[in-house]
Amino acid sequence: EADIYQTPRYLVIGTGKKITLECSQTMGHDKMYWYQQDPGMELHLIHYSYGVNSTEKGDLSSESTVSRIRTEHFPLTLESARPSHTSQYLCASGFSGANVLTFGAGSRLTVL
Amino acid sequence: GNSVTQMEGPVTLSEEAFLTINCTYTATGYPSLFWYVQYPGEGLQLLLKATKADDKGSNKGFEATYRKETTSFHLEKGSVQVSDSAVYFCALRENTGNQFYFGTGTSLTVIP
Repeated sequence: EADIYQTPRYLVIGTGKKITLECSQTMGHDKMYWYQQDPGMELHLIHYSYGVNSTEKGDLSSESTVSRIRTEHFPLTLESARPSHTSQYLCASGFSGANVLTFGAGSRLTVL
Repeated sequence: GNSVTQMEGPVTLSEEAFLTINCTYTATGYPSLFWYVQYPGEGLQLLLKATKADDKGSNKGFEATYRKETTSFHLEKGSVQVSDSAVYFCALRENTGNQFYFGTGTSLTVIP
């Protein structure tokens, strides 16, 4: 049973709105990741964190930002949403050196 | 660099048919290899893994063998069920880092 939670699961908002996608895990994982999943299903790493106060950009350029103030929490923020941000966002976490990533159920964002 | 190439979909099979989804990889060093599954509306779940050459990962009737000589990790199941309908992702994790690399996903539909 995965102990990683994403909210909201579904969000429909208008252009220009600020949104924050929440991701929390209760497993004490130090590594956390955000992936963007396009309609063709491919996963793109957009942000990751190796611990508190550590954040890095991933392979896919993104206008979103992240923060890691607490180990268990890794929110993703879009200051001004646009239709091109419409996508599924998946959060994942794992221990350093571990071979397993645990994924949340995803947040599906639609920007009108 | 590191990358994963997997068979393009979608794949449609009749119930009880044999399944193969091909996956090959490029990596520096000796990565760990994974298959993840994504059911509709959910995040990814780990299906099976193998951490060294010739290891066989297995779960729920699915199997994959880590073949270093052919840099492959093909997923197989002898008799698929309707409940196996999902998207399957091949992935690798480099042993010297914390990055995971995912294939583009293969959609499987099993019809009764």
